[in-house]
Amino acid sequence: QKEVEQNSGPLSVPEGAIASLNCTYSDRGSQSFFWYRQYSGKSPELIMFIYSNGDKEDGRFTAQLNKASQYVSLLIRDSQPSDSATYLCAVKLSNNFNKFYFGSGTKLNVKP
Amino acid sequence: ETGVTQSPTHLIKTRGQQVTLRCSSQSGHNTVSWYQQALGQGPQFIFQYYREEENGRGNFPPRFSGLQFPNYSSELNVNALELDDSALYLCASSLGGNSDEQYFGPGTRLTVT
Repeated sequence: QKEVEQNSGPLSVPEGAIASLNCTYSDRGSQSFFWYRQYSGKSPELIMFIYSNGDKEDGRFTAQLNKASQYVSLLIRDSQPSDSATYLCAVKLSNNFNKFYFGSGTKLNVKP
Repeated sequence: ETGVTQSPTHLIKTRGQQVTLRCSSQSGHNTVSWYQQALGQGPQFIFQYYREEENGRGNFPPRFSGLQFPNYSSELNVNALELDDSALYLCASSLGGNSDEQYFGPGTRLTVT
């Protein structure tokens, strides 16, 4: 079982719609959770991080964390074609271990 | 732009050779992590350096080693290169301490033939 699992996609949504990206993780003691965006041929770019259960909003982006279900999601409202990219979920394991695990990413296509 | 720089941009090596990749962290950041990203995969954590000490390591063999310097820049060394080492190598810097937010450099594309 991989530490972080994501659906590889592609996820296709029309412009202006809400895109919902999901991620599950295996280590129940994980403390920190991150979403990165990676355009083709570029390095990952940090979008959001979340540490506590619940929702965290930043502009058009909302990260949701449910530790009981070991589930993290990212919602992108009013999706734009420029949001088309691969979205990577990352998890830092328990605080005693500085190890970070990334999922393989979900490719998002926003169609004009 | 994150302020994290890496060199070189591209590199071609032969199997069995050794390679050194370099990373300069963002100003004020004392922690550097290295990742290997194969095509179509997410980054895989190699190790992290905090104030010149290795502070965490992923599942990579000892032929992957690193250094961090007093100015917090860092090197990744890979000995006895194998074909499967061909990948994008990313470094990411962070403030350290309780801050886990990492900012990536542009990466070094390594090709082993």
